[in-house]
Amino acid sequence: DTAVSQTPKYLVTQMGNDKSIKCEQNLGHDTMYWYKQDSKKFLKIMFSYNNKELIINETVPNRFSPKSPDKAHLNLHINSLELGDSAVYFCASSPQGINEQFFGPGTRLTVL
Amino acid sequence: GQSLEQPSEVTAVEGAIVQINCTYQTSGFYGLSWYQQHDGGAPTFLSYNGLDGLEETGRFSSFLSRSDSYGYLLLQELQMKDSASYFCAVEGGSYIPTFGRGTSLIVHP
Repeated sequence: DTAVSQTPKYLVTQMGNDKSIKCEQNLGHDTMYWYKQDSKKFLKIMFSYNNKELIINETVPNRFSPKSPDKAHLNLHINSLELGDSAVYFCASSPQGINEQFFGPGTRLTVL
Repeated sequence: GQSLEQPSEVTAVEGAIVQINCTYQTSGFYGLSWYQQHDGGAPTFLSYNGLDGLEETGRFSSFLSRSDSYGYLLLQELQMKDSASYFCAVEGGSYIPTFGRGTSLIVHP
């Protein structure tokens, strides 16, 4: 009965490859997010969807493309991976904005 | 834009009380939240203040003063398991959530 799940947990890949990270929540929340956490633990919002509609897109390179097939799923596809994309990516969901966001376990992406 | 300031590191001993401060600058403000993150783990929600005052949840309390753009997280009866990073976060204009850079709390025996 995991609340927010992400796959894969670890992703190691070569520069230039394309990869996807999947996220699913079973909490019935309307809003889902993608965050990037760098090696200094800075947690930065990338995207937010509300009921399958993109509502936040925070100056992220267009190599990153989120997709929300339904309000329980928010996937992240990354094209032409670069070294600087190495980070932990967290998916989160919430019923009401910043109040009580539930985070997935994270996906540690390493680009070689 | 939005920015938050919080101390990078705080140390304390078991059983003590510690306060982690957070000041913010936002265009628009909808609330201040606190999250805890252990090494290798995901952030977990601790508390939320939408209005001025103190919110208490067990050993943790959080305070907000909107006129001072300031809040704090108070942790009482510290335990070793409280060693973690603590993030304040605000939701400002356009409902964009912004997190502070985190405070590393180290609890000594």
